[in-house]
Amino acid sequence: RKEVEQDPGPFNVPEGATVAFNCTYSNSASQSFFWYRQDCRKEPKLLMSVYSSGNEDGRFTAQLNRASQYISLLIRDSKLSDSATYLCVVLDSNYQLIWGAGTKLIIKP
Amino acid sequence: GAVVSQHPSWVICKSGTSVKIECRSLDFQATTMFWYRQFPKQSLMLMATSNEGSKATYEQGVEKDKFLINHASLTLSTLTVTSAHPEDSSFYICSASMGPGDTQYFGPGTRLTVL
Repeated sequence: RKEVEQDPGPFNVPEGATVAFNCTYSNSASQSFFWYRQDCRKEPKLLMSVYSSGNEDGRFTAQLNRASQYISLLIRDSKLSDSATYLCVVLDSNYQLIWGAGTKLIIKP
Repeated sequence: GAVVSQHPSWVICKSGTSVKIECRSLDFQATTMFWYRQFPKQSLMLMATSNEGSKATYEQGVEKDKFLINHASLTLSTLTVTSAHPEDSSFYICSASMGPGDTQYFGPGTRLTVL
């Protein structure tokens, strides 16, 4: 079983729609959680950290469920520019980032 | 702030040659630097962690004699792919942090193609 699992997609979504991704992690001792965005052939860029209480940044909402060991990302009012691969990342107890393989999102006009 | 540069951006080389990739933290001192590799449609895989002035710690399955890492200063780490082969073709990304557990700042990556 992979340490961090994501549905690879692609998710094809019309512009303006709301879309959500989930991610599960296997190590219950994981310390911190993040969503990164990666555009084609570019380095990943931090989108947002994920806090236990859930957090929101504009159109993006992240949730963490430690009991079920999953993380979610919700994108509201999606824009064409949101098309990218979204990577779920977990910081383990050794301070190493463990990366999911990413979920590809395609926003269509 | 917290900018990491990486050079070259891309390189194409013949099989058997060695390629050096540089990773620099431009506006902060990076006590720890990380080297990742990403194959198409796969997640980033950590290759090694290096702390300034000490030997790198390699992940299981990564050959330390093939992927030479040097972290001689607080702003520069280099990865040398020795005797590169086509299967080494990948996207190599470095990141730098001010210490263990601190935020990692990523370089733009280097795309290596070995013919």
